[in-house]
Amino acid sequence: EVQLVESGGDLVRPGGSLRLSCAVSGVTFGDYAMHWVRQIPGKGLEWVSGITWNSDDIIYADSVRGRFTISRDNGANSLFLDMDSLRPEDTAVYFCAKQRGSNGYFSDEFDYWGQGTLVTVSS
Amino acid sequence: SSGLTQDPAVSVALGQTVRITCQGDALKSYYASWYQQKPGQAPVLVMYGKDNRPSGIPDRFSGSSSGNTASLTITGTQAEDEADYYCQSRDNGDNHYVFGSGTRVTVL
Repeated sequence: EVQLVESGGDLVRPGGSLRLSCAVSGVTFGDYAMHWVRQIPGKGLEWVSGITWNSDDIIYADSVRGRFTISRDNGANSLFLDMDSLRPEDTAVYFCAKQRGSNGYFSDEFDYWGQGTLVTVSS
Repeated sequence: SSGLTQDPAVSVALGQTVRITCQGDALKSYYASWYQQKPGQAPVLVMYGKDNRPSGIPDRFSGSSSGNTASLTITGTQAEDEADYYCQSRDNGDNHYVFGSGTRVTVL
């Protein structure tokens, strides 16, 4: 069974930093590109960032570029999101999501999602 | 970047058919994927590619596309299909991903 489990969400002050983690099991993690997607409570989904299997290609939404850094550790089956200069508008549930295609590169859809971790940015 | 437009809400009688649409320039180049999200839960992929259902998704879900519009159809809607549905595709030109604003399906 494929499982994605996020952790690291917390209450943080504006301008602060946070690291999110996503532990993946039930699949060969290194075979897949991975992504972060966020959702403001009660609102829609927003894609945040993606990373290929070997970290050679990394992409960010304009809203987070320069502030967030995605990374992965294939040996530890883990995905990370380092979030700096946090703003109140970054408050959201953050989901990690697995790309469906198994060539390790970006494809069209996300076939497995974690349950999400809540990040609250507030003074 | 381009956006994807969805109707905010639609209602359907139990056992009837509902079509959810998604419009955007990106859909001229990429297929839409569709996700079902129930309150407090993670999204679930229900349709991708031309008309592909992941394992475990009932065959009452089907997909289609034409030009800049993609559609998800639920035939014989069940009570458990009540949820928010999001379309998603690659974004034209900048190698990003984009989601539609979501459609809330209410089963009457």
